[in-house]
Amino acid sequence: LAKTTQPISMDSYEGQEVNITCSHNNIATNDYITWYQQFPSQGPRFIIQGYKTKVTNEVASLFIPADRKSSTLSLPRVSLSDTAVYYCLVGAKDSSYKLIFGSGTRLLVRP
Amino acid sequence: GAVVSQHPSRVICKSGTSVKIECRSLDFQATTMFWYRQFPKKSLMLMATSNEGSKATYEQGVEKDKFLINHASLTLSTLTVTSAHPEDSSFYICSARDPKGEWNYEQYFGPGTRLTVT
Repeated sequence: LAKTTQPISMDSYEGQEVNITCSHNNIATNDYITWYQQFPSQGPRFIIQGYKTKVTNEVASLFIPADRKSSTLSLPRVSLSDTAVYYCLVGAKDSSYKLIFGSGTRLLVRP
Repeated sequence: GAVVSQHPSRVICKSGTSVKIECRSLDFQATTMFWYRQFPKKSLMLMATSNEGSKATYEQGVEKDKFLINHASLTLSTLTVTSAHPEDSSFYICSARDPKGEWNYEQYFGPGTRLTVT
């Protein structure tokens, strides 16, 4: 499974756009990139997933360059409730797919 | 859709006793479920992969005789912490993989179970 590297923590203010970048230099051809959000004492929640280029949903956007060695999760206009830990994971979507979590990025949104 | 529940949400037990935690996929059939453990301010650590109708596969360093996993049906997996000790106190999270869902093999997580061993 490809190893991922993310910043340990980030600070932002309400209303700002937050971009969290994840490095995955050893990503395999069949690997997808998935981001999860976790609040304290809760299970992780799926945010977004992509394979290449750009993916957008009602919560976030995911930018993946052509070489796929990194990805950026973009959260538009964050609010206090976006304070959480964000995990980037890569893996193939097949029957062997299992999620191995890295350290994640602890995002603190200030008023 | 894709809801996973855990029971109980919190449990306190005495050292030396056993505790069972249930994980259920409520609206899909999960042939594979996963169990994680998370210590305060740490990341999730995968403990084992639970496959319906077969023995669980444990990650390196996880004692299979201490953490008993049973996946008797397509919607239920249980984790039993046997002879619990204070160092087993942690947040236990399960996830279930939905092979037929929108995200194809995506995993959905339960809300977690806080275990405190006194």
